Order: sequence, then C-alpha cells, then structure tokens
Amino acid sequence: DADVTQTPRNRITKTGKRIMLECSQTKGHDRMYWYRQDPGLGLRLIYYSFDVKDINKGEISDGYSVSRQAQAKFSLSLESAIPNQTALYFCAIEPQLTGELFFGEGSRLTVL
Amino acid sequence: GDSVTQMEGPVTLSEEAFLTINCTYTATGYPSLFWYVQYPGEGLQLLLKATKADDKGSNKGFEATYRKETTSFHLEKGSVQVSDSAVYFCALKVTGSYQLTFGKGTKLSVIP
Repeated sequence: DADVTQTPRNRITKTGKRIMLECSQTKGHDRMYWYRQDPGLGLRLIYYSFDVKDINKGEISDGYSVSRQAQAKFSLSLESAIPNQTALYFCAIEPQLTGELFFGEGSRLTVL
Repeated sequence: GDSVTQMEGPVTLSEEAFLTINCTYTATGYPSLFWYVQYPGEGLQLLLKATKADDKGSNKGFEATYRKETTSFHLEKGSVQVSDSAVYFCALKVTGSYQLTFGKGTKLSVIP
C-alpha cells in the first residue's frame, strides 16, 4: 500500500460547489501538508498540520479549509469552488522537521 | 523571504547526454537544500539533499553540491536516460522553519 493515499484522483465540478479532497497515511507521522501545483508556478503551500489539534495556514489558504480528523487523515475542502482553483493538489507527510516530504499521487481538480 | 530560482525549461536532451539544471537560492537563515523529481502522473519524490555547505548529495547517478559562496545547488548527471524524463524541483528549508520553498520546476525530456 502507498504511504500516502489521496482521493479522488480526478474530479470535475462546477463553480460554487463544495469539494473535499481526502488524504490518508499509513506511516503514523504527525506532520501533514497540502500543496497546490500550477504549471510554471511550482508548489505552493495551502495548509499544514503538526498534530491533530494543530492547523496552520500556508501562503495561499484563502478559499480553502482543512480538517485533521485523526493522525492519519487530513482533508482539504473548497467551500465554494471557483475556476482559478483548477489545479493539481498534493498531500504530503514528513517524518521529522527535515524537509524530506513523502507525497501522494495527487488529486486533479477541474472547476468549470 | 526565502526563494529558489531554477533554470526555465523545457530541456530536451538526447540519451547519454550530460545534464545540468541550475538552481540558486536566497534564504533568511541557514538552509538545507533538496532536489525533488516528479515522474509523469506521480507525486514528487525526494531525489537528493544536502544539509551544509560543500556537502554533495547523490542518488541514481544525479549529483548536486551545496555551494554557499554562490548560493547554488545545481543538479548534474553525466549520462541521462529516457527514464529520467520528469520535472525536477529545487527546494530549500531553513533550519527550524516548517516551510519547504520550491522552485518552479524544470521539465526534462530525454529522447532516444
């Protein structure tokens, strides 16, 4: 099994709809991250969590929210999706504060 | 703030050619430096890292040396293969920071 599993892998939705992207891990690490990838922009951090009770905003958190339901699960929500949120979203885990991240395979979201 | 600048792609090379992807950085503190690779349809994975000046990271025939005097961490490989076709990201993390700062990525295509 993969260390980090993201669902769904692909999603097409309409403007204004609520969307949830889910992430689960099998490694038991405390640190979890959500990134967004856009062509030519690299990866940008949306939210991060260092344990179940710790949620922090990244550089582009506007329009997004997260929930850390358990140590193994970290969900990203778009309350009212808009077209410029069309992107590839990655969840990642980090064993220690070393910069060595393990990524899921990504969730491609298209907002029409 | 912290930033990473990579050479723009795409880069197209013939098999067995020499590869260099340039990466320079600015950091507010003492950074660790990383190269991540993203193969088509997959998430990012750590390729190599270096944590202090003059360290050389290496993996799968790729190398990069942490050059503090030139604030650089250029990725090199002596003989590329078709299977090296991917997007390569340079990244940094300042000691004590949660943030992994990515460059915009460089797409490499290797043709037979």
